[in-house]
Amino acid sequence: AQSVTQLDSHVSVSEGTPVLLRCNYSSSYSPSLFWYVQHPNKGLQLLLKYTSAATLVKGINGFEAEFKKSETSFHLTKPSAHMSDAAEYFCVVSDNTGFQKLVFGTGTRLLVSP
Amino acid sequence: GAVVSQHPSWVICKSGTSVKIECRSLDFQATTMFWYRQFPKQSLMLMATSNEGSKATYEQGVEKDKFLINHASLTLSTLTVTSAHPEDSSFYICSARPNRETQYFGPGTRLLVL
Repeated sequence: AQSVTQLDSHVSVSEGTPVLLRCNYSSSYSPSLFWYVQHPNKGLQLLLKYTSAATLVKGINGFEAEFKKSETSFHLTKPSAHMSDAAEYFCVVSDNTGFQKLVFGTGTRLLVSP
Repeated sequence: GAVVSQHPSWVICKSGTSVKIECRSLDFQATTMFWYRQFPKQSLMLMATSNEGSKATYEQGVEKDKFLINHASLTLSTLTVTSAHPEDSSFYICSARPNRETQYFGPGTRLLVL
């Protein structure tokens, strides 16, 4: 079965500094991996996805993630945090079969201070 | 981008009553929709997969007689929480899939059972 582990429940950064949100995955076959962001009172928004093409995936709002098979990791990064980046971030794996059900990590809350 | 709506956005009901939540894809057709629940400060847990014109597929541990799902058209799925109890209080989120690779999430419905 597929699973993802988000290593930090909270990450605090200052505005303008880099962001690193860590995610490790477990999958019995080549996974599809996603990062979603959840702002209060808004629907989940897809930041980026990896589907076995390029290992470095660029997403919206300056975010990117690198798929590292040897480390079973898919960490999310951004060079410079903005106040509007404060939200809950979910690392997600898809089972790539049948209905392609999504399995969510426990989430990382990103706090951005001025 | 594609829009998925949920109605109501929040609902308060008395214990023992039933509550219906609607999920609509506004600008695309979705043969498959998913229902999730999210407890406070926790991740999303898939409850069931809803397929237009057929019975829903429930995840292990989800009572199908308590959480009735109807996917009557390509743009509408409903989740009915029957005989709701306080432990059913949660944030219910739906998603709709226009194709195999893409999934769009609704803004969620907050249910409080008194």
